[in-house]
Amino acid sequence: GQQLNQSPQSMFIQEGEDVSMNCTSSSIFNTWLWYKQDPGEGPVLLIALYKAGELTSNGRLTAQFGITRKDSFLNISASIPSDVGIYFCAGSIQGAQKLVFGQGTRLTINP
Amino acid sequence: DTGVSQDPRHKITKRGQNVTFRCDPISEHNRLYWYRQTLGQGPEFLTYFQNEAQLEKSRLLSDRFSAERPKGSFSTLEIQRTEQGDSAMYLCASSLLGPTNTGELFFGEGSRLTVL
Repeated sequence: GQQLNQSPQSMFIQEGEDVSMNCTSSSIFNTWLWYKQDPGEGPVLLIALYKAGELTSNGRLTAQFGITRKDSFLNISASIPSDVGIYFCAGSIQGAQKLVFGQGTRLTINP
Repeated sequence: DTGVSQDPRHKITKRGQNVTFRCDPISEHNRLYWYRQTLGQGPEFLTYFQNEAQLEKSRLLSDRFSAERPKGSFSTLEIQRTEQGDSAMYLCASSLLGPTNTGELFFGEGSRLTVL
């Protein structure tokens, strides 16, 4: 089945730093989504991408749909303590509404 | 609160017992999904419904698992004869599939199952 590989698996940064993480796939996706999950909670949708090459922002978050349709990137600028959590990429292929998730990137911020 | 709600949030049971989880989706959403998430992993697809029809089931969904959405609104996920390997967070999500939207999934807070 489809596999999504996220990197890095974990990040330890200082408050105020910018963060970059990415997700790659062996298959072509037509939708990429980025979610954030806090401990004991369900994933919360951050950004959705629908076109190859699309660049979308949501506050300090920016995500891009790779031109090959096999990757996506999420950037967080000027990190703050509430950015701590696990970030998941998820993708769906044409005609399929179910999402395939990556393994997650765990973000830890030192104040 | 108009989000996806799940009940119970936590369930501890002994091996061999049956458990049932309930999910109430966002009211206007026509698709409902069940995912399973184990520690350190991303959510894994189990099954989904469009209205009351169950359209797809993952191979992860063994015969001990059954999901229903009888009236196209809330859904239940039952696990019979639980095993320790069933311990996980069970996530429900809903989406609205239509000509002018893209079916983004909105998740509930999950039901955490611990099988002793």
